[in-house]
Amino acid sequence: DARVTQTPRHKVTEMGQEVTMRCQPILGHNTVFWYRQTMMQGLELLAYFRNRAPLDDSGMPKDRFSAEMPDATLATLKIQPSEPRDSAVYFCASGPQTQVRSGNTIYFGEGSWLTVV
Amino acid sequence: AQSVTQLGSHVSVSEGALVLLRCNYSSSVPPYLFWYVQYPNQGLQLLLKYTSAATLVKGINGFEAEFKKSETSFHLTKPSAHMSDAAEYFCAVSANTGNQFYFGTGTSLTVIP
Repeated sequence: DARVTQTPRHKVTEMGQEVTMRCQPILGHNTVFWYRQTMMQGLELLAYFRNRAPLDDSGMPKDRFSAEMPDATLATLKIQPSEPRDSAVYFCASGPQTQVRSGNTIYFGEGSWLTVV
Repeated sequence: AQSVTQLGSHVSVSEGALVLLRCNYSSSVPPYLFWYVQYPNQGLQLLLKYTSAATLVKGINGFEAEFKKSETSFHLTKPSAHMSDAAEYFCAVSANTGNQFYFGTGTSLTVIP
């Protein structure tokens, strides 16, 4: 049963600490998304990769957030330094090779629940 | 540009009653439309998707949605609500030239016994 795997599932950290969240996309998927979910803002797209290259990270605060794909099986989202307002659930999602007019589905991981105190 | 609007952030229905969750989209190109469901403390799961093959799309758990171009709508329905349907529902749109997804703000469905 292929699925997107995210670690850690839960993280509590102190303000100012570095936080790294990891995502293993479904094998063979070449698009990866990072979303942040909060009660106030709902689902926000932070970054979007295709074939490991960042295509859109306009939703990500550049001063403290960074997203990378070191290889096709790993995507990372790093926050340094973390702040209480970063407390949220961070979701990774992946999708298969994009074909024009395909309307491919994206599949979500279970999320990383971050609390910054 | 694409976007979706979900009318009603909270919907309550009685068990056995009709479920209707509204979604209107905006797209400059033929859209692909999706409904996802999120159960408490879980990620989003695909309920159904519209890809122009048929305007009435059937999904899992008895849900279906109808694409109406004239109304730019893609409302989600289920004839008879079950307690297990209580969850957050998200409508999403994707352009046909890429995988960029745009999600609505979500509708929380409560099912009353």
